[in-house]
Amino acid sequence: GDSVTQTEGQVTVSESKSLIINCTYSTTSIAYPNLFWYVRYPGEGLQLLLKVITAGQKGSSRGFEATYNKETTSFHLQKASVQESDSAVYYCALASGFASALTFGSGTKVIVLP
Amino acid sequence: EAGVTQSPRYAVLQEGQAVSFWCDPISGHDTLYWYQQPRDQGPQLLVYFRDEAVIDNSQLPSDRFSAVRPKGTNSTLKIQSAKQGDTATYLCASSLSWGGNYAEQFFGPGTRLTVL
Repeated sequence: GDSVTQTEGQVTVSESKSLIINCTYSTTSIAYPNLFWYVRYPGEGLQLLLKVITAGQKGSSRGFEATYNKETTSFHLQKASVQESDSAVYYCALASGFASALTFGSGTKVIVLP
Repeated sequence: EAGVTQSPRYAVLQEGQAVSFWCDPISGHDTLYWYQQPRDQGPQLLVYFRDEAVIDNSQLPSDRFSAVRPKGTNSTLKIQSAKQGDTATYLCASSLSWGGNYAEQFFGPGTRLTVL
């Protein structure tokens, strides 16, 4: 089956500093999966932050970037300069097929200190 | 456009009690998903439908859980005899399986279930 691993359960970072959240995946699918980052801000529902559906491509949104690396099976999320409003829980996810269900990582809680 | 709606938002039960969760997807979305999210974990698929047909229910504990989507629109997830291990947030999501090059899933606010 498919699996997604996020090694950091919680990350604390000061405002204006850089952030990286690690994500690696594995899949038994023959085709390359679609990869996603979802985010849950405090008091809000889960929402899509960014997606990449083609291996080797980069996705970006709200200052965040993630590159789909099929060699290392990784999809790390990065931001050069975080703000307090980036405090949230971030989930890496994959889908093996179009409109198939998502397999999520365990989530990384990001706390940005002023 | 209205998003995915779920009710109730919260439920507290004793072990052995039954509970039903209701989901109204985004209008026109043909695919509907139910996920279970235990505390401090990521969402895990229970079942998903395309229209009224079950596509994958392999992770649904069939002895106590059931899910239906009779007209291909709203859906109900039911737990017959709840256990403490069922304590989690139950998320509903919907997507459109045609058009575009990927199918974004839109999530509802979830139902937070506590089984005492």
